[in-house]
Amino acid sequence: DTAVSQTPKYLVTQMGNDKSIKCEQNLGHDTMYWYKQDSKKFLKIMFSYNNKELIINETVPNRFSPKSPDKAHLNLHINSLELGDSAVYFCASSQATDNYGYTFGSGTRLTVV
Amino acid sequence: GNSVTQMEGPVTLSEEAFLTINCTYTATGYPSLFWYVQYPGEGLQLLLKATKADDKGSNKGFEATYRKETTSFHLEKGSVQVSDSAVYFCALSGATNKLIFGTGTLLAVQP
Repeated sequence: DTAVSQTPKYLVTQMGNDKSIKCEQNLGHDTMYWYKQDSKKFLKIMFSYNNKELIINETVPNRFSPKSPDKAHLNLHINSLELGDSAVYFCASSQATDNYGYTFGSGTRLTVV
Repeated sequence: GNSVTQMEGPVTLSEEAFLTINCTYTATGYPSLFWYVQYPGEGLQLLLKATKADDKGSNKGFEATYRKETTSFHLEKGSVQVSDSAVYFCALSGATNKLIFGTGTLLAVQP
């Protein structure tokens, strides 16, 4: 059983398109996150939801919109894709009340052409 | 604000060599500290953690000790293997449970 699963694993799309990445966790965690990893492997948090409520919203273009239909799912929708959006996007989850760190998904490699 | 600084890579070692990857942090309060590993083409996996000063985290032969006096959490392994080749990330988690990562260190182990 995959703990944190993201789909799709690879996404190639043209500039200007709108795309979504889905994430689901079966760990019973109450908090989920989206991170962006650039070509130099630098990881930066984008969003965090706790029990469907947005709690972290870093400086991210408003073309990026997270949606959490329930605490086990956190999707990322991106409008009007740009070349600079090409990166690997990681979903993660954690339990806010403990210090066991995050569990990460395997990533979605987005390539905008 | 909170931040993590780790040594730049790549670090290239021969099999069975001793590994140290330095990590220092800046934080208010008492953060928890973590090392994550990312194998090629995969997501991040938690390698080890420490939640308070003088704690030692260990896993798969890797160790790191939470040193409050030097604000450090250096990763060590006595004898690396080719299979340890990966990118290693130091991270901290503060009061808000937001995980902040260092820039990552690529380790390449040659046979």
